[in-house]
Amino acid sequence: NAGVTQTPKFQVLKTGQSMTLQCAQDMNHNSMYWYRQDPGMGLRLIYYSASEGTTDKGEVPNGYNVSRLNKREFSLRLESAAPSQTSVYFCASSATGRSFGNTIYFGEGSWLTVV
Amino acid sequence: GENVEQHPSTLSVQEGDSAVIKCTYSDSASNYFPWYKQELGKGPQLIIDIRSNVGEKKDQRIAVTLNKTAKHFSLHITETQPEDSAVYFCAGGYTNAGKSTFGDGTTLTVKP
Repeated sequence: NAGVTQTPKFQVLKTGQSMTLQCAQDMNHNSMYWYRQDPGMGLRLIYYSASEGTTDKGEVPNGYNVSRLNKREFSLRLESAAPSQTSVYFCASSATGRSFGNTIYFGEGSWLTVV
Repeated sequence: GENVEQHPSTLSVQEGDSAVIKCTYSDSASNYFPWYKQELGKGPQLIIDIRSNVGEKKDQRIAVTLNKTAKHFSLHITETQPEDSAVYFCAGGYTNAGKSTFGDGTTLTVKP
């Protein structure tokens, strides 16, 4: 059972370059999320998707776009990378509902450096 | 929206002592309060959660208490061990829909 799988694990980008972080979950969850975590800081929500076909902005959406490709996959795209986007990115998923509680399951993280 | 505040930001204890981390929330409609542990270089993982219809929940050395009136909840770790050293996050949210709001995290260090 892989859970939440995200790629790549590490990436170095030059300012202005674009890239896509890929994420897939095999738990049949409806909701998926992208967070960023900066050194010594908490988790800030970038975008989330409550179900296939829907996406909503979180706290810090500027500079990012997302695609909920199907129920399993949720990608995050940086169109023109900036040094301020240097961070660790976590993809996550959850199954909402009274019997599930909305526990969020996280991937292992993607370390992105923009130079 | 929901606002979750977490204290302290860092906590250092001696092995065998207890550790307590506290969180407050703003939305009285929130009914689900999980705690996550993040080890170095990894993603956060759920360690315990509590729903608003329960005041306390225990799982071996960890426990969570909830005071709905005061809108705060706490994580208690007893008989701490070095492997408890990690960053702990609280969160507030809803069981049936929507996203959870995370606290800023507490870095717990257990000294042997």
